[in-house]
Amino acid sequence: AQSVTQPDIHITVSEGASLELRCNYSYGATPYLFWYVQSPGQGLQLLLKYFSGDTLVQGIKGFEAEFKRSQSSFNLRKPSVHWSDAAEYFCAVGNFGNEKLTFGTGTRLTIIP
Amino acid sequence: DVKVTQSSRYLVKRTGEKVFLECVQDMDHENMFWYRQDPGLGLRLIYFSYDVKMKEKGDIPEGYSVSREKKERFSLILESASTNQTSMYLCASSLFRVGQPQHFGDGTRLSIL
Repeated sequence: AQSVTQPDIHITVSEGASLELRCNYSYGATPYLFWYVQSPGQGLQLLLKYFSGDTLVQGIKGFEAEFKRSQSSFNLRKPSVHWSDAAEYFCAVGNFGNEKLTFGTGTRLTIIP
Repeated sequence: DVKVTQSSRYLVKRTGEKVFLECVQDMDHENMFWYRQDPGLGLRLIYFSYDVKMKEKGDIPEGYSVSREKKERFSLILESASTNQTSMYLCASSLFRVGQPQHFGDGTRLSIL
């Protein structure tokens, strides 16, 4: 069965600092991977996805993520965070032949001035 | 843009009541999903549907049922609400195609008293 681990429950960064949120997945074949963001009281918004091809993918709001097969990772990065990036971030994995996604437990991001 | 609309943002019901949560999507998506979200547990799939009148159990279907009579509408039913069903409920939809992301509604925060 596929699984997703987001090892950091809560991260605090200063505004303007760089950010990396970790995501590790467990699945035998090539997965497809997503990052979503959830602002308080809202649903999930898609930031970016990896399906195939270039392992560095660009998303909305200045985010990017890199798929590393050897490390089973799909970490999310942003070079300079803004106060509006404070939210909860979820990594999700899917696989061919299965319409369902498996979500990580999320990482809550706090931005300090 | 895909629009997934959940009928209520906040709902308060009493133990033993029959509760209906409604979800409508406007993009002719084949797949629709119901999740519940609890702190520290991420998103857990309750049920999903890949076509009208078709449904499959997710990871935590106990105490819930679903109905999909029309392609655009997917209802979650709590047959006899209990306090442990107090949670945030999220509806999502996606195309029936490999690698497609799920699009989420804003959620219904349900309290069972």
